Amino acid sequence: QVHLVESGGGVVQPGTSLTLSCAASGFTFSNYGMHWVRQAPGKGLEWVAVTWSDESNKYYADSVKGRFTISRDNSKYTLYLQMNSLRVEDTAVYYCARDWANGQSGYFDYWGLGTLVTVSS
Amino acid sequence: DIQMTQSPSSLSASVGDRVTITCRASQSISRWLAWFQQKPGKAPKSLIYAASTLESGVPARFSGSASGTDFTLTISSLQPEDSATYYCQRYDTYPLTFGGGTKVEI
Repeated sequence: QVHLVESGGGVVQPGTSLTLSCAASGFTFSNYGMHWVRQAPGKGLEWVAVTWSDESNKYYADSVKGRFTISRDNSKYTLYLQMNSLRVEDTAVYYCARDWANGQSGYFDYWGLGTLVTVSS
Repeated sequence: DIQMTQSPSSLSASVGDRVTITCRASQSISRWLAWFQQKPGKAPKSLIYAASTLESGVPARFSGSASGTDFTLTISSLQPEDSATYYCQRYDTYPLTFGGGTKVEI
């Protein structure tokens, strides 16, 4: 059974950094692309970033490009999101989601429960 | 970027009603469209991919269709547990985008 568990959220000040983790289990992690998707309080879903299964390709939303970095450790079955220069508008629940394929599909077949990041002074 | 316009933003219907939600892409995305259901405080759940293919375990009262750049999610007979917000999402190219969501109230 596929499980995705995010961690690392919290309250931080604008301009600071935070790293989120997503622990995966129940499938062969190295075979699948992985995504981060976020949802601001009371708002809709926004795709953030994707990494191919082998990290050969990575793509980002324009809103986070240059500030966020997605990475993974296949030996640890863990996905990461390094978030720098955080802004108030980055406040959201951050979900990790599994890609249906190696990252090329862009379809999310499993989602984690999310971790809340609050950026506030 | 390709935009997804979802309508209506909310609707209220009765148990047993047929409900239709529409998403329109700003340009062709072939059939690279998915639908998700999200209940309050919960993670989204995948319902449909490739415009009309049901995910395993999704009740048959849910269906999806496509006509050009217009996509439709239909709930044939609304049930109390279908109260949720529904999102469409295109996945033809990166960056990926979602529709604005439709809140369905019973």
